Amino acid sequence: DTAVSQTPKYLVTQMGNDKSIKCEQNLGHDTMYWYKQDSKKFLKIMFSYNNKELIINETVPNRFSPKSPDKAHLNLHINSLELGDSAVYFCASSQEPGSASGGPSTDTQYFGPGTRLTVL
Amino acid sequence: AQSVTQLDSQVPVFEEAPVELRCNYSSSVSVYLFWYVQYPNQGLQLLLKYLSGSTLVKGINGFEAEFNKSQTSFHLRKPSVHISDTAEYFCAVSIIQGAQKLVFGQGTRLTINP
Repeated sequence: DTAVSQTPKYLVTQMGNDKSIKCEQNLGHDTMYWYKQDSKKFLKIMFSYNNKELIINETVPNRFSPKSPDKAHLNLHINSLELGDSAVYFCASSQEPGSASGGPSTDTQYFGPGTRLTVL
Repeated sequence: AQSVTQLDSQVPVFEEAPVELRCNYSSSVSVYLFWYVQYPNQGLQLLLKYLSGSTLVKGINGFEAEFNKSQTSFHLRKPSVHISDTAEYFCAVSIIQGAQKLVFGQGTRLTINP
């Protein structure tokens, strides 16, 4: 029983194409995230959604558009793919967006297995 | 802004030897600290986290970490490593930005040699 799943696991495509990566979590969490891991293993957050609402949007090209049809799903659509988009993309989920007092969230983020995107 | 520095990009050790993976952070506000492990071709898995209380935190697979506020460090340790500990280890801080935002270090590749 997979907690956070992503499809596809591998994606190879040509420059200029449009592609989507899907993410689903069966943990009942309210918050989902997309991270990008580059070739040097550096992980950086891209987006976060809470109950289908966008709450974190880092400096990401607008070719990247997240879509959350419901709180169990967060898909990532990428238009006009470029060579520099090649990376491993991780989806994650957690229970709460942050404490009411404004302090950082204590909740653990659960990560999917990743999608390796290769742009040729 | 918050940042995390993992001082070693690669750490090779022999099996059954002790290991320490170093992590320093900078932040103008209180943060929570995490260590995640990434086994080859897999996603990240939480090893342990520091929220408050005792500065020595114990995690899964025999790992522990110590929070040192004065030195802004959160080093990860294991007294005796196993081949199966070979993985990439990431230190992260959690800040609030409408949602939990994890800021990761650049990772440390731990290689266990027989």
